[in-house]
Amino acid sequence: GENVEQHPSTLSVQEGDSAVIKCTYSDSASNYFPWYKQELGKGPQLIIDIRSNVGEKKDQRIAVTLNKTAKHFSLHITETQPEDSAVYFCAAIKAAGNKLTFGGGTRVLVKP
Amino acid sequence: DTAVSQTPKYLVTQMGNDKSIKCEQNLGHDTMYWYKQDSKKFLKIMFSYNNKELIINETVPNRFSPKSPDKAHLNLHINSLELGDSAVYFCASNQASSYNEQFFGPGTRLTVL
Repeated sequence: GENVEQHPSTLSVQEGDSAVIKCTYSDSASNYFPWYKQELGKGPQLIIDIRSNVGEKKDQRIAVTLNKTAKHFSLHITETQPEDSAVYFCAAIKAAGNKLTFGGGTRVLVKP
Repeated sequence: DTAVSQTPKYLVTQMGNDKSIKCEQNLGHDTMYWYKQDSKKFLKIMFSYNNKELIINETVPNRFSPKSPDKAHLNLHINSLELGDSAVYFCASNQASSYNEQFFGPGTRLTVL
């Protein structure tokens, strides 16, 4: 089955700096890669996603890149703000079936 | 509010007891899920139902039994609770398409003493 690895497990950045989280996946059939943000005491919430026919996607201060050949994808947060502090999860899914496989999560702390 | 809701939010119980967690979504989705999040924040799917039919059943002890009375509800019943069952359980829902966002509930923190 699919295996998603996520690094780093914790990330501390100064407010205004950029944060980058990297994920690798094992199943070349996976073709949809969402990123979820989980704030303390809440459920995960989708913040951005990318499909396999696209190499990069941007939404304001967040962007995701995908390298299908290398089977890795990354989340970039620019101009970080304290409200970006949360746990971020990458995930991968195949076209058939709805089983999302999550990475281990990255705890991001933005220091004011 | 349109959302995925879960009850209870907190559940503290003794080993050996039987308990249930309820989930409801009013988003009109046809697929619902249960996930377990352990103390290290690792999220793992347990079950998935599509239109009341079980479609994903991961390697979960048979003490865990999901029940979907209709496509808006997916409940989780746990028999003979063990210490290792302590975790946060999340319900989620979406439409049956690979590319549709899964909407998560607020979670139920289960503590087994």
